[in-house]
Amino acid sequence: DGGITQSPKYLFRKEGQNVTLSCEQNLNHDAMYWYRQDPGQGLRLIYYSQIVNDFQKGDIAEGYSVSREKKESFPLTVTSAQKNPTAFYLCASSIGEGYGYTFGSGTRLTVV
Amino acid sequence: GNSVTQMEGPVTLSEEAFLTINCTYTATGYPSLFWYVQYPGEGLQLLLKATKADDKGSNKGFEATYRKETTSFHLEKGSVQVSDSAVYFCALSGASKIIFGSGTRLSIRP
Repeated sequence: DGGITQSPKYLFRKEGQNVTLSCEQNLNHDAMYWYRQDPGQGLRLIYYSQIVNDFQKGDIAEGYSVSREKKESFPLTVTSAQKNPTAFYLCASSIGEGYGYTFGSGTRLTVV
Repeated sequence: GNSVTQMEGPVTLSEEAFLTINCTYTATGYPSLFWYVQYPGEGLQLLLKATKADDKGSNKGFEATYRKETTSFHLEKGSVQVSDSAVYFCALSGASKIIFGSGTRLSIRP
């Protein structure tokens, strides 16, 4: 079955440490996205990539970095420069514009 | 620019009640419109979509009609169940990405 996998489901890190969230898809989708969701809030776009080796900043890219070396993978690094990193992070992929997204099940990051 | 506005929640209904969650949009061109649902602790799932004016998307008893004249895509269900309790997001396809509304939390009482 095709899908999009985020790991781990829960992640704890100490303040000041960088952490990388994994996102893998086997849907053969070109486009991939990272969103942040805070309690009771909507989705905010962090980064997106429409093709391998290319990505664009979203609305809240500061303190985050991404890479897209393979079509299947779009990892997100939360750096120590991110002021308030505790949140629920969602990865999504899409076959193209107008087709909608397939979402992963999310990673809940807690920084202590 | 493109945007989506949906009714604020929370919305609380009794089981078997009729549901409407309002969604209006602003867009240039003819975007596709979507409703997504998020259950607690999970990612979003596509509930239904419509790609052109007057299209009706439907799934699991939910329906929404793409109304270009009123720029709306309201979500409806004739008889809700406790299992429909979730957060619902209206969305439209923009250039390179989907634009989401802020979400509406729905709670159904037994």
